[in-house]
Amino acid sequence: DGGITQSPKYLFRKEGQNVTLSCEQNLNHDAMYWYRQDPGQGLRLIYYSQIVNDFQKGDIAEGYSVSREKKESFPLTVTSAQKNPTAFYLCASSIGGGSEQFFGPGTRLTVL
Amino acid sequence: GQQLNQSPQSMFIQEGEDVSMNCTSSSIFNTWLWYKQDPGEGPVLLIALYKAGELTSNGRLTAQFGITRKDSFLNISASIPSDVGIYFCAGQGGNTDKLIFGTGTRLQVFP
Repeated sequence: DGGITQSPKYLFRKEGQNVTLSCEQNLNHDAMYWYRQDPGQGLRLIYYSQIVNDFQKGDIAEGYSVSREKKESFPLTVTSAQKNPTAFYLCASSIGGGSEQFFGPGTRLTVL
Repeated sequence: GQQLNQSPQSMFIQEGEDVSMNCTSSSIFNTWLWYKQDPGEGPVLLIALYKAGELTSNGRLTAQFGITRKDSFLNISASIPSDVGIYFCAGQGGNTDKLIFGTGTRLQVFP
């Protein structure tokens, strides 16, 4: 089955620790995206990548970092510099930039 | 970051009723997308629109790309309990490949 997987579904971390969220796709999509969703709000773009080994900051990149070493994978690291990291994180992919985006199931991160 | 104006914010309707929601933007878009999100899950793409004036259906769902290219509408006919969720619009336009998301419409359907 083709799709986007995110793991884990729920993640708990202590304040001050870095944490990496996984996102994998087997759709052969070139572009991948990370969004943050807070309760009752829409999606805000953190980082996106249109091709391997290249990525751009979105609207709320501060306190986050990404890498794109493989086409299938786009991990997101939430660093200790992120002031309010508790949120629902969504990964998406598309054939190319500007086309329909398909989302993974999300990871809910709680920082204690 | 920019967000689209989506209305209404929430709707509480009786099963069998029709539903309408819309999104408006201050800038022109080339693409409009409509997604549905269930609690604790990722959004699922419902309908994609690529041309001003385009009207597209997906089962009981119908969406339209506004003539001005600054708005889009989603209608759900004969609602059922599984229509419950949050509906998001998203638009893409100008010289950016990024999607701009609406704030969502929360739909509650009562039997």
